[in-house]
Amino acid sequence: EAAVTQSPRNKVAVTGGKVTLSCNQTNNHNNMYWYRQDTGHGLRLIHYSYGAGSTEKGDIPDGYKASRPSQENFSLILELATPSQTSVYFCASGDLGGPNQDTQYFGPGTRLLVL
Amino acid sequence: GDSVTQKEGLVTLTEGLPVMLNCTYQTIYSNAFLFWYVHYLNESPRLLLKSSTDNKRTEHQGFHATLHKSSSSFHLQKSSAQLSDSALYYCALSDRGGSNAKLTFGKGTKLSVKS
Repeated sequence: EAAVTQSPRNKVAVTGGKVTLSCNQTNNHNNMYWYRQDTGHGLRLIHYSYGAGSTEKGDIPDGYKASRPSQENFSLILELATPSQTSVYFCASGDLGGPNQDTQYFGPGTRLLVL
Repeated sequence: GDSVTQKEGLVTLTEGLPVMLNCTYQTIYSNAFLFWYVHYLNESPRLLLKSSTDNKRTEHQGFHATLHKSSSSFHLQKSSAQLSDSALYYCALSDRGGSNAKLTFGKGTKLSVKS
């Protein structure tokens, strides 16, 4: 049973529109992450969170906002989508402690096309 | 800041030949934790193996890697490539001394195994 799920799995948006990507995890992990994956760039961190109510900027936060309303849910928000944000977005969860410290568990990804 | 370098963007091999994917890293912290993630097409990226122990070989699913802190390297190897090994491989770094909630990923190496 998938522990990290994302919705939608595919999304077509128009330039200037608002896009919200959702992520849910049942791992009970404190940390959650949003990445985008692009050929030649690999996985790049957009935003992450240490727990409910917290969001931190990653390496490429411009043009994105994040929201962590609960332990389980972490959203990525594109207020004004641009074609350069066309990509595959992955959510992940992980924890600082325990035997799987620093290991991240990824969702299935969301393909976003901005026209 | 931290960085991970995977020099090869694409490695093409014939089935049965050995695999070696290169990974070097930079961090100012001595207690680095290195990871290899594998991303098969239409699946989620998942952990393949990880290590924080200098000069100790780590193995999983036929792959192995040894962390060499003297050369800041963590190359992924396999003795005999299989068609099913075709995937995107990411090397990643967690610096325990710094912001230990984050992983820094390399750009990824696509491994293509042909018969």
